[in-house]
Amino acid sequence: DIQMTQSPSSLSASVGDRVTITCRASQGISNSLAWYQQKPGKAPKLLLYAASRLESGVPSRFSGSGSGTDYTLTISSLQPEDFATYYCQQYYSTLYTFGQGTKLEIK
Amino acid sequence: EVQLVQSGAEVKKPGESLKISCKGSGYSFTSYWIGWVRQMPGKGLEWMGIIYPGDSDTRYSPSFQGQVTISADKSISTAYLQWSSLKASDTAMYYCARGGTAVAGTWSPWGQGTLVTVSS
Repeated sequence: DIQMTQSPSSLSASVGDRVTITCRASQGISNSLAWYQQKPGKAPKLLLYAASRLESGVPSRFSGSGSGTDYTLTISSLQPEDFATYYCQQYYSTLYTFGQGTKLEIK
Repeated sequence: EVQLVQSGAEVKKPGESLKISCKGSGYSFTSYWIGWVRQMPGKGLEWMGIIYPGDSDTRYSPSFQGQVTISADKSISTAYLQWSSLKASDTAMYYCARGGTAVAGTWSPWGQGTLVTVSS
């Protein structure tokens, strides 16, 4: 299986901050990476795919980048509704795997 | 509107069987993969397996192979996840999700989740 490791596991930030979450794959995944947002008690929501493509309806303050094994999710200016847990997921292999999640909390 | 609606919460005893459902609407159910994901209490997301309702092609994560059965009834646009003998460790929220349109392997939308509690 391809292992996905996110960092940090948790992060405290303030409204208006710029934050970056990192996801590292155990082998190259050729940009086959998606990011999901999950709010407490809710189902995950797809934010980005192909490492940097924004899903329809997702605000442009969310962006993604990376290549090979290392990828990042950036939120340019945190809004109150962005405090949630974020997961990366690789789909390079059909044995899909998620990162362990990054909990973004209000400072 | 594309929607997945899951069956309601279940409380079961160890050793009992269970089948939960995920009904798709607003799209051609037979043309998109459906996946199942487990989320244990306070934990992250784990892929369980996927099914293509058009031909019932099913694939399981090695961690869940033999532990659960994924199926679909395309006549009623519904996918299923079932257990023959539940364990306390099966207590979790279970989500279904539809395979993406633009890229295979991405998942959207998701069902609202079915909470399964297994306790004696």
